[in-house]
Amino acid sequence: QKEVEQNSGPLSVPEGAIASLNCTYSDRVSQSFFWYRQYSGKSPELIMSIYSNGDKEDGRFTAQLNKASQYVSLLIRDSQPSDSATYLCAVNPHYNQGGKLIFGQGTELSVKP
Amino acid sequence: EAQVTQNPRYLITVTGKKLTVTCSQNMNHEYMSWYRQDPGLGLRQIYYSMNVEVTDKGDVPEGYKVSRKEKRNFPLILESPSPNQTSLYFCASSSRDPGWSNSDTQYFGPGTRLTVL
Repeated sequence: QKEVEQNSGPLSVPEGAIASLNCTYSDRVSQSFFWYRQYSGKSPELIMSIYSNGDKEDGRFTAQLNKASQYVSLLIRDSQPSDSATYLCAVNPHYNQGGKLIFGQGTELSVKP
Repeated sequence: EAQVTQNPRYLITVTGKKLTVTCSQNMNHEYMSWYRQDPGLGLRQIYYSMNVEVTDKGDVPEGYKVSRKEKRNFPLILESPSPNQTSLYFCASSSRDPGWSNSDTQYFGPGTRLTVL
């Protein structure tokens, strides 16, 4: 089993809809979780971090973490064509193991006008 | 302007010819990392560094070396490149441990596309 898994997609949603991106991880002691966005041909950029169970909202983005079920998700409300990108989930696999990150393979999101 | 720079941006080389990809940041960040990105595999961490002279292996360190002699620079060295190292490489830096970062504390370089023939 991969340490961090995502559906590779592509996930296609109409403009204005909610896009739901999911990620599961295998290391139960993981403490911190991240969502990166990568536009085609560009570098990844960190858009959300979440450390506690529950929801964390930032504008149109909501990250959800459920440590018991070992999944983290990203919801994008009112999806826009400009949200079309690949979304990468990342996990810090061990508490206090500074600097290490494990990424999923990414989910390609396409928002259709 | 705060930035991470990588050189070269594109490189085509042949098997066995030693090469170095440079990475430099101007933000006085302590943490720096190297990643490779391959289709269907996402980003995989090669090496990371928590400060000068402190480095550790990521998930795919085989065939790579790094050094951190100065805070701003973190070069990636391929002593004897092979075709399976053909990839897109990213350098990243952050003021905090990237495992505990926020979006305003981490930066990626523009990427280096390496082809090994």
